[in-house]
Amino acid sequence: KQEVTQIPAALSVPEGENLVLNCSFTDSAIYNLQWFRQDPGKGLTSLLLIQSSQREQTSGRLNASLDKSSGRSTLYIAASQPGDSATYLCAVSPQTGANNLFFGTGTRLTVIP
Amino acid sequence: KAGVTQTPRYLIKTRGQQVTLSCSPISGHRSVSWYQQTPGQGLQFLFEYFSETQRNKGNFPGRFSGRQFSNSRSEMNVSTLELGDSALYLCASSQQGFSYEQYFGPGTRLTVT
Repeated sequence: KQEVTQIPAALSVPEGENLVLNCSFTDSAIYNLQWFRQDPGKGLTSLLLIQSSQREQTSGRLNASLDKSSGRSTLYIAASQPGDSATYLCAVSPQTGANNLFFGTGTRLTVIP
Repeated sequence: KAGVTQTPRYLIKTRGQQVTLSCSPISGHRSVSWYQQTPGQGLQFLFEYFSETQRNKGNFPGRFSGRQFSNSRSEMNVSTLELGDSALYLCASSQQGFSYEQYFGPGTRLTVT
């Protein structure tokens, strides 16, 4: 069974700092990987999706990389802002193409003004 | 384009009762997936519907069921509620059927007393 781990579980940084969130998965047979953010008590907002054939995706201050063979992905956030404070979740979909995502436990990010 | 909508947003039920939650996907999306989020287990996949057929199912008891209508709207039902069913229930929609980017609704917070 696919297991997804995110480290660290919580992170607190001063505003303006660049930071990296990590995601690892045990089964490299994935179709794609998605990064989400979740604000307290709310739904998930999709940030970036990386297909298994891609190495990275960028959107604004966010950059996600994928190393499928080693089962790792990173989310890089540049010049962090207080509005970035949220829980960040990564999720992988199986290579079969089925739509059941396997989620990590998340990293709770706090950006201090 | 309107996002994924879920109703109701909050629900309080008593043990032994049953509950029905509703999800309307983004227009044109035919796949709807349901997830349960709890502090202890994180986000777990319940089931996925595509073109009114359940295509994928997670590891949940038969008390959890769902259906999809011809307009792609989906409902999930939980019978004989238990305290442990208290959770945030999220639905997600995606285009086509296979591993396209998933878009989540705001969730329904279910509390079982």
